[in-house]
Amino acid sequence: AQTVTQSQPEMSVQEAETVTLSCTYDTSESDYYLFWYKQPPSRQMILVIRQEAYKQQNATENRFSVNFQKAAKSFSLKISDSQLGDAAMYFCAYRSRDGTSYDKVIFGPGTSLSVIP
Amino acid sequence: AAGVIQSPRHLIKEKRETATLKCYPIPRHDTVYWYQQGPGQDPQFLISFYEKMQSDKGSIPDRFSAQQFSDYHSELNMSSLELGDSALYFCASSNPGQLLNTEAFFGQGTRLTVV
Repeated sequence: AQTVTQSQPEMSVQEAETVTLSCTYDTSESDYYLFWYKQPPSRQMILVIRQEAYKQQNATENRFSVNFQKAAKSFSLKISDSQLGDAAMYFCAYRSRDGTSYDKVIFGPGTSLSVIP
Repeated sequence: AAGVIQSPRHLIKEKRETATLKCYPIPRHDTVYWYQQGPGQDPQFLISFYEKMQSDKGSIPDRFSAQQFSDYHSELNMSSLELGDSALYFCASSNPGQLLNTEAFFGQGTRLTVV
């Protein structure tokens, strides 16, 4: 079974600075998706960024980028120019990629990010 | 664009009562997933359906049941409610047939409080 680990329960960053959230996962599959979800106090689950495992290039979405290390099974999220609105719980997540694509999203335990004005 | 709709958004029930949560997936999405998120916890997978058939099962209590209907909406039925069932319940949908089906789209959740 696949597992997702986030070793940082809480992180803080100064506004306008850069912060990196860590994530590792365990799987025997070769093809899969990885995601970072943001959950603000409203508790809406918002997709921040996705990475396909077969792509070597790291995904980027505006101020958000990932460092995907497939061999090390590592998937970190970098937030640049942090803003107050970035304060939220961040979940790293895994999803298998196969022909049927029924597969569920598996979440890590989350990292609570605080942004200091 | 249409999103996943969950109803009700908030629900308060007493212990031992029954609750029904509804999920309306994005149009043309035929797969639905249910998750339970307790306070300070990550979402835990409960159950999923594809084309009205159960496709996967997670840590869903025997007191809970779910089904997917012909219009692809899904209902999660929860009986003999316990205080520990108080949580945010997410529904997500996806369409395996879509070429770029990489993610599941989440609804806003139903916050269930058992008193």
